[in-house]
Amino acid sequence: QLQLQESGPGLVKPSETLSLMCTVSGGSFSSTSHYWAWVRQPPGKGLEWIGAFFYDGSTYYNPSLKSRVTISVDRSKSQFSLRLNSMAAADTALYYCASHEYGFGLRAWGQGTLVAVSS
Amino acid sequence: DTQMTQSPSTLSASVGDRVTITCRASQSIRSWLAWYQQKPGRAPKLLIYEASSLESGVPSRFSGSASGTEFTLTISSLQPGDFATYYCQQYNVFPWTFGQGTKVEMK
Repeated sequence: QLQLQESGPGLVKPSETLSLMCTVSGGSFSSTSHYWAWVRQPPGKGLEWIGAFFYDGSTYYNPSLKSRVTISVDRSKSQFSLRLNSMAAADTALYYCASHEYGFGLRAWGQGTLVAVSS
Repeated sequence: DTQMTQSPSTLSASVGDRVTITCRASQSIRSWLAWYQQKPGRAPKLLIYEASSLESGVPSRFSGSASGTEFTLTISSLQPGDFATYYCQQYNVFPWTFGQGTKVEMK
């Protein structure tokens, strides 16, 4: 069964860059039918899709974040990462990594990691 | 972007009630819609994919349906563990977008 685990700092200063890692286990990270995605949730609010990449290297980003976000992958380690620069208080959220199996939706999720932006 | 308008935002119900949550897409998303359940402190859990297909292991009291750009999640008989927040999500086109969520609370 596919398992995902986020890791990264719990606190980031304003204007700094957030770097999060998602480690995938229990399945094929090179699957041709999976997208690997990031989703965030501000405290007490709804879900916001950040972006995703496909096995062929294609990346897709939320236009509202596109100028600040990069998703990259390290296939040798079955990991994918999120970089979000110019962090601000509004970026304080629970950040989830998740896998979307083509046609099925976001079937597997990490437990989430809370990131606070504060000086 | 494809906007997903979910209603109601809050729903008060009792155990045994039939519960219906609606999600309307701002444009055609064919059947590429998923429903998730989220409990406090937990990651969302996939319930329904492709508008009406039940995810493995999800109780059959959950069902999904579609009519054009309107999608419905129905819980046929609400159980104690079903009090949670529910989200719809379209994955027909990027950016994938979520509805605002519906909190199902105890009446």
